[in-house]
Amino acid sequence: QKEVEQDPGPLSVPEGAIVSLNCTYSNSAFQYFMWYRQYSRKGPELLMYTYSSGNKEDGRFTAQVDKSSKYISLFIRDSQPSDSATYLCAMSAGYGGSQGNLIFGKGTKLSVKP
Amino acid sequence: EAQVTQNPRYLITVTGKKLTVTCSQNMNHEYMSWYRQDPGLGLRQIYYSMNVEVTDKGDVPEGYKVSRKEKRNFPLILESPSPNQTSLYFCASRPGHHYEQYFGPGTRLTVT
Repeated sequence: QKEVEQDPGPLSVPEGAIVSLNCTYSNSAFQYFMWYRQYSRKGPELLMYTYSSGNKEDGRFTAQVDKSSKYISLFIRDSQPSDSATYLCAMSAGYGGSQGNLIFGKGTKLSVKP
Repeated sequence: EAQVTQNPRYLITVTGKKLTVTCSQNMNHEYMSWYRQDPGLGLRQIYYSMNVEVTDKGDVPEGYKVSRKEKRNFPLILESPSPNQTSLYFCASRPGHHYEQYFGPGTRLTVT
């Protein structure tokens, strides 16, 4: 079983739709959960960060972590064509030293059609 | 501007010809890392460094070397490249006690 599982998609939605992206994981030591966004021909950039369980909202984006189910989600409301990118979940057991090594999901490619 | 730079951005080479991909950051970050990204396999860590002269293997270190002689630079060395090292490579850095990694723009390597 892989440490982090993420459906690679591709996912195609119409503009304005609510998008739900998900990852599951197996390592109960993970405490820091992140979503990175990667545009074509670019490096990943941090989009959302959550520590332990709970929700975090930033504009149209909401990140949720359910540690009991080992499941994290990213919701995008009122999706825009500019949201078209690959979304990578990432997690770590800490941020000091080697505990800060990130384990990434394979990424979900999202396309938002005008 | 705070950034991670990589050079070259694109490289086509032949099997066995030694090459170096440079990585430099101007944010005084302690932690630097190299990843490769392959279709269907995602981002996998090759090597990381927690500070000058401190390096360690990631998940896929075979066929690669690194060095960290200066805090800002973390070159990736392929001493005898093979076609299975054809990939998109990313360098990243972060402060030692913070979670956010900053990624470079990527180096697309093709080994024929």
